[in-house]
Amino acid sequence: NAGVTQTPKFQVLKTGQSMTLQCAQDMNHEYMSWYRQDPGMGLRLIHYSVGAGITDQGEVPNGYNVSRSTTEDFPLRLLSAAPSQTSVYFCASSLEGEGQGYEQYFGPGTRLTVT
Amino acid sequence: AQSVTQLDSHVSVSEGTPVLLRCNYSSSYSPSLFWYVQHPNKGLQLLLKYTSAATLVKGINGFEAEFKKSETSFHLTKPSAHMSDAAEYFCVVSDLRAGNMLTFGGGTRLMVKP
Repeated sequence: NAGVTQTPKFQVLKTGQSMTLQCAQDMNHEYMSWYRQDPGMGLRLIHYSVGAGITDQGEVPNGYNVSRSTTEDFPLRLLSAAPSQTSVYFCASSLEGEGQGYEQYFGPGTRLTVT
Repeated sequence: AQSVTQLDSHVSVSEGTPVLLRCNYSSSYSPSLFWYVQHPNKGLQLLLKYTSAATLVKGINGFEAEFKKSETSFHLTKPSAHMSDAAEYFCVVSDLRAGNMLTFGGGTRLMVKP
């Protein structure tokens, strides 16, 4: 199993540009989520999905969109990039919902810089 | 609302000495608690978890943590540090009644000196 994969690993955007961060998992996990990691703030939940066709907002959803058309894929779209979105983005998946004692499997991250 | 406070942003120990990373949490209900480790330029890996079973939880690589409800603490310990333990550690709380959303602490960077 490849686990959770993310592409690209690094990305530089100009303010106002849009892009999609890709996330895929091959473990048949129903639950997938996106986090952003900023210094001193741990990880904050952006959006999550409990299964194909179902998504919901997390703690910091503004400026991001998600969709879940398949169990395997959960892309994150930045609609109009802003410098405040400079961060490291992690995708995660698990068998069940967050925190029910089920381990979250994290991808290697995407480092995004918005200039 | 739930929250997590990691009391030290940086901890430095010598190889072979004990490790203590401190975590206090706030939750209105019965929480699940986790410790994750992040090595440089890597994703996060689960070290251990507490989900209302035994209060002393053993994890991978010799780490363990004790859930103390009266002190609202979940400190991470290891008897003897290895150089390979140098990483960032995150304490995480989740509450079933808070939608199972994970709340991360700010992280503690552990440095291990030879």
